[in-house]
Amino acid sequence: GAVVSQHPSRVICKSGTSVKIECRSLDFQATTMFWYRQFPKQSLMLMATSNEGSKATYEQGVEKDKFLINHASLTLSTLTVTSAHPEDSSFYICSAQAGVETQYFGPGTRLLVL
Amino acid sequence: GENVEQHPSTLSVQEGDSAVIKCTYSDSASNYFPWYKQELGKGPQLIIDIRSNVGEKKDQRIAVTLNKTAKHFSLHITETQPEDSAVYFCAASWEAGTALIFGKGTTLSVSS
Repeated sequence: GAVVSQHPSRVICKSGTSVKIECRSLDFQATTMFWYRQFPKQSLMLMATSNEGSKATYEQGVEKDKFLINHASLTLSTLTVTSAHPEDSSFYICSAQAGVETQYFGPGTRLLVL
Repeated sequence: GENVEQHPSTLSVQEGDSAVIKCTYSDSASNYFPWYKQELGKGPQLIIDIRSNVGEKKDQRIAVTLNKTAKHFSLHITETQPEDSAVYFCAASWEAGTALIFGKGTTLSVSS
């Protein structure tokens, strides 16, 4: 149990385009999902916290208009990187938790912006 | 806010030896401390966690100890195997389910 999936696993896009990443909890309902960003050989940095049906809470320094987060249901959250630029290239990872239970992470999405 | 320090950044051991990774945290209100294993190109996988009302927890070859007074917690892996090679992250939060603050990670290499 406690499986979290992400789609796509990797994406290459041109500078200026938008990319949507999906995060799904497959076998449980996630009241809260988190989005992290990880650069090579670095730790995970929290970008935002999203609760189902409400606006996401963004960490300081994360542009909410650039990284759009939607948590439309208890099993799906999406992250859209708008007008992507090469500096947005990174590994994006989501996690999901139900109630006060442990966070389970997805497999990550590798984004490369050319 | 919470800050988590993790040491060492790299650790190399021989197969069968023990490995110990240590973390310290700054916020005394933190009371949930998970450890994650991350293999190259994959998301973190929870391997063990501990809550503040417990001083030690063990799961087969893996154990975690917590010293709330000193604000540090440690991961112990015994009888290491090559497949234990990965990056290990400690994290802290004030309760399970809230945002995790991660340490910088430890790259563990187990050679046979």
